[in-house]
Amino acid sequence: DARVTQTPRDKVTEMGQEVTMRCQPILGHNTVFWYRQTMMQGLELLAYFRNRAPLDDSGMPKDRFSAEMPDATLATLKIQPSEPRDSAVYFCASGLGLAGNTGELFFGEGSRLTVL
Amino acid sequence: GQSLEQPSEVTAVEGAIVQINCTYQTSGFYGLSWYQQHDGGAPTFLSYNALDGLEETGRFSSFLSRSDSYGYLLLQELQMKDSASYFCAVSGTGGFKTIFGAGTRLFVKA
Repeated sequence: DARVTQTPRDKVTEMGQEVTMRCQPILGHNTVFWYRQTMMQGLELLAYFRNRAPLDDSGMPKDRFSAEMPDATLATLKIQPSEPRDSAVYFCASGLGLAGNTGELFFGEGSRLTVL
Repeated sequence: GQSLEQPSEVTAVEGAIVQINCTYQTSGFYGLSWYQQHDGGAPTFLSYNALDGLEETGRFSSFLSRSDSYGYLLLQELQMKDSASYFCAVSGTGGFKTIFGAGTRLFVKA
């Protein structure tokens, strides 16, 4: 049963600490997205990759956020230093992009981040 | 850029039909998708329209008009379990960049 796997599921940290979230996309998927969800902002696109190349990270605060895809099985989202306003659920999603017929994105269960 | 608009909240009774509208703006268009999300869960895919017209999947149907930059999700025979948030999403150029609307909260009452 193929699925997107995210770790950690829950993270509580203090302001100023570094946070790294990891995502294993579904094998064979060529697009990977990072979204942030808060009650106020809905699903906000932070960054996305196609064939491991970053295409658009304009949704990320560049001074503290970074997203990478070191290999096809791992995408990372790092926040350094973290701030209370970063508290949200971070979702990773993968898909086949134009190669798929349905446009479907498969979401992980999310990483719930709380910054105190 | 890309942006979407959908109603923030809709309430309907069990067994009824409800339509959730979505208008979008995008510089390039591949398709419009719909996702369902229950509280505490992850978004799950419902439908995708790349061409004009109606796509039907069981109790759910989705419609697209590319000329009007408009689509809707139609839910029939509403059940209590359909209470959730529904997101429209537009996929456009730039590597299938997919942007989500703010979501419509559906409340189904007995």
